Amino acid sequence: GAGVSQSPRYKVAKRGQDVALRCDPISGHVSLFWYQQALGQGPEFLTYFQNEAQLDKSGLPSDRFFAERPEGSVSTLKIQRTQQEDSAVYLCASSLDRVRTNQPQHFGDGTRLSIL
Amino acid sequence: DAKTTQPTSMDCAEGRAANLPCNHSTISGNEYVYWYRQIHSQGPQYIIHGLKNNETNEMASLIITEDRKSSTLILPHATLRDTAVYYCIATIPYISNFGNEKLTFGTGTRLTIIP
Repeated sequence: GAGVSQSPRYKVAKRGQDVALRCDPISGHVSLFWYQQALGQGPEFLTYFQNEAQLDKSGLPSDRFFAERPEGSVSTLKIQRTQQEDSAVYLCASSLDRVRTNQPQHFGDGTRLSIL
Repeated sequence: DAKTTQPTSMDCAEGRAANLPCNHSTISGNEYVYWYRQIHSQGPQYIIHGLKNNETNEMASLIITEDRKSSTLILPHATLRDTAVYYCIATIPYISNFGNEKLTFGTGTRLTIIP
């Protein structure tokens, strides 16, 4: 498949556990985004990478949230000491590059995280 | 990003044109209007975008008023697969926003296509 791939599709964790969510962007896409979507709401921005550089992490809700993209391709969103309010769908998106304008963001189908 | 206002929900008969309005009265001169949709249990899907001219692609048409304060997304022949939440977003494309490309979604319009 040529789309954005996220794994796992579903994750259940107990409160206090750490979780790691993976995103495989479209090959060659420079920009990568993470969004959080609560039930019944639109996605909300978490963080943005250009290649391996994290240029914007203003949307991360707390220091328990950490994202990385060490080789400029696959990205991992890690949540430490999970809490019930972290339950949401986590979406990853990628886009081609910064040089050409108006490149749309291509989204994966998300990871649905449930914290018990 | 300019605030956008959309109706919460709409129905449309299958085979008819679905017209989804969006108000963005505070849009600035360099902000584009983007439309995405989200089918249940899937990630958002890009549909179309425009600045001030009307645009058409294989999925839809985008009509932007001359004052740019509102726009309408048109799905010319709606099918059951078009049932989704549709998001209208006004934002500056990244080339002129120094790489801050994040999309600000609202709650969108839930479009239901009726058989």
